[in-house]
Amino acid sequence: AQSVTQLDSHVSVSEGTPVLLRCNYSSSYSPSLFWYVQHPNKGLQLLLKYTSAATLVKGINGFEAEFKKSETSFHLTKPSAHMSDAAEYFCVVSPSGGYQKVTFGTGTKLQVIP
Amino acid sequence: DAGVTQSPTHLIKTRGQQVTLRCSPKSGHDTVSWYQQALGQGPQFIFQYYEEEERQRGNFPDRFSGHQFPNYSSELNVNALLLGDSALYLCASSLPGVTEAFFGQGTRLTVV
Repeated sequence: AQSVTQLDSHVSVSEGTPVLLRCNYSSSYSPSLFWYVQHPNKGLQLLLKYTSAATLVKGINGFEAEFKKSETSFHLTKPSAHMSDAAEYFCVVSPSGGYQKVTFGTGTKLQVIP
Repeated sequence: DAGVTQSPTHLIKTRGQQVTLRCSPKSGHDTVSWYQQALGQGPQFIFQYYEEEERQRGNFPDRFSGHQFPNYSSELNVNALLLGDSALYLCASSLPGVTEAFFGQGTRLTVV
């Protein structure tokens, strides 16, 4: 069994300040983990993925995430928020390598205040 | 490369009717997955097709069925529509054993 918990449904930051979106997972296998972003009326776009290589994963648009097995966490961070980062972010777990029966978190809506 | 394309973008159906949604995968991708995203929720996995067969299925009733064609495009069929089937339906394509999937923009289904 697997599950994903996104700890915050809404996060609000000021432009230029750091972003932290929290994700905890549960998986019976060595998981693959992903972060996706969804802008309004748009499809989902992959930000980054962890697949048992380096635990610190760098993605697009300055985002990165660190896989911490001991804490079963995969938090998403960005040093400086931009207005264009305002969107909904989903943490996703897959049981193993390959895009299989994935489980999405409930999402975190990021608001960026000018 | 057109990426993943879905049609139609929006549609409205009446309770009890049937609906078919369509998906063309990204060029070179042979695996298609379907998701239901209710308002304010994360996407829920419906099923995945590879080599024209359903390979994985989520926790959805048999009213939800699908098909994959030899050109890898796919259809999602929902019978006996319920109000609760109103959602954004997303299609994603990938290659087997590859960890990245590409999503279409979705079909917004409203059941009245």
